[in-house]
Amino acid sequence: AQSVTQPDIHITVSEGASLELRCNYSYGATPYLFWYVQSPGQGLQLLLKYFSGDTLVQGIKGFEAEFKRSQSSFNLRKPSVHWSDAAEYFCAVGAHGITGKLIFGQGTTLQVKP
Amino acid sequence: NAGVTQTPKFRILKIGQSMTLQCTQDMNHNYMYWYRQDPGMGLKLIYYSVGAGITDKGEVPNGYNVSRSTTEDFPLRLELAAPSQTSVYFCASSPQNSPLHFGNGTRLTVT
Repeated sequence: AQSVTQPDIHITVSEGASLELRCNYSYGATPYLFWYVQSPGQGLQLLLKYFSGDTLVQGIKGFEAEFKRSQSSFNLRKPSVHWSDAAEYFCAVGAHGITGKLIFGQGTTLQVKP
Repeated sequence: NAGVTQTPKFRILKIGQSMTLQCTQDMNHNYMYWYRQDPGMGLKLIYYSVGAGITDKGEVPNGYNVSRSTTEDFPLRLELAAPSQTSVYFCASSPQNSPLHFGNGTRLTVT
């Protein structure tokens, strides 16, 4: 069955510390992979995507993610977290063609300590 | 450029009532989607459309209906509201092979 697992429901980091949010997926075909961020009361904003090519992808707001096919993972990283990064983060997987038919993970809530 | 616009932002329904959640996009995207987000959960796909006149079921279509008469509009219909449909509903659109653009959501409570 196709699925996305975000093992960490809630993460707290200090401002200025590094961040890694984990994402593992189970998908039969070559996946398209996404990270979205959601601030309270808002819709989802795309942080970055992986379709093909370089397995290290850069996104907005200083985020990056690395696609590791052998580990079925697509972890999100940021070297130095800012207080404004506090939000909920969703990993999602889709297929070539209708790339909006996404399977989402349950999300990771990031809290940033001053 | 407005992007994806959803109305209303909030709604409270009584069990058995019906309503339509409106979604319109001004980006000329062929693909449109409806997702629901339950507390502590990721989003789940309800219905999607690859163009005017074409719709298909997603993962959780029961209790909902959609239509797509124009490229811009993709309304979601709840015929007999149930408490299990209390959720936040997101409409999204995209070109082919491109990421989704989301609306800001409709928060629906059924009591």
